[in-house]
Amino acid sequence: AQSVSQHNHHVILSEAASLELGCNYSYGGTVNLFWYVQYPGQHLQLLLKYFSGDPLVKGIKGFEAEFIKSKFSFNLRKPSVQWSDTAEYFCAVRYGGATNKLIFGTGTLLAVQP
Amino acid sequence: KAGVTQTPRYLIKTRGQQVTLSCSPISGHRSVSWYQQTPGQGLQFLFEYFSETQRNKGNFPGRFSGRQFSNSRSEMNVSTLELGDSALYLCASSWGERNTEAFFGQGTRLTVV
Repeated sequence: AQSVSQHNHHVILSEAASLELGCNYSYGGTVNLFWYVQYPGQHLQLLLKYFSGDPLVKGIKGFEAEFIKSKFSFNLRKPSVQWSDTAEYFCAVRYGGATNKLIFGTGTLLAVQP
Repeated sequence: KAGVTQTPRYLIKTRGQQVTLSCSPISGHRSVSWYQQTPGQGLQFLFEYFSETQRNKGNFPGRFSGRQFSNSRSEMNVSTLELGDSALYLCASSWGERNTEAFFGQGTRLTVV
């Protein structure tokens, strides 16, 4: 079955710490990969996406993610987090390419302490 | 340009009632998808529409239905509401038929009492 796993459910970091959030997906052939962020009280916003090409993808606000095909992973990273990065982060996968349907992970709640 | 607009933002309904939620996509976007967000299940796909045709349906009971109009606006309907239907319902719009970026609305918070 098509599924997405986010292993970190709740992460607490101090400002300036480095961040890495894990995302793994089940095998399903061609995939498009996404990271979305949901700030408190706001709508889901796209952080970055991978369709093809360079597996290291840079997004907004200093975030990046690396697609490792052999590990079915698309981990999100940021070298130095800020208090304003406090939010919930969702990994999402689109399987097959013939649809706009997204399958989401369960989300990771990140709290950054000043 | 204006984003995805969902109405109403908040709704309280009683068990057994039905409810209709509305989504206006970004101008020019022809694809609309719906998702249910709950603390326990996360974000789960409900339906996907393109040019008034349902292209995909998630694993939800038949009480959940939807449609898309010729102006790309979409509605979803839930009949015979259950307590477990309490959730944030999110609409996403995309300009193309496939493989295009999804933009999300702020959602409709439905509470069933």
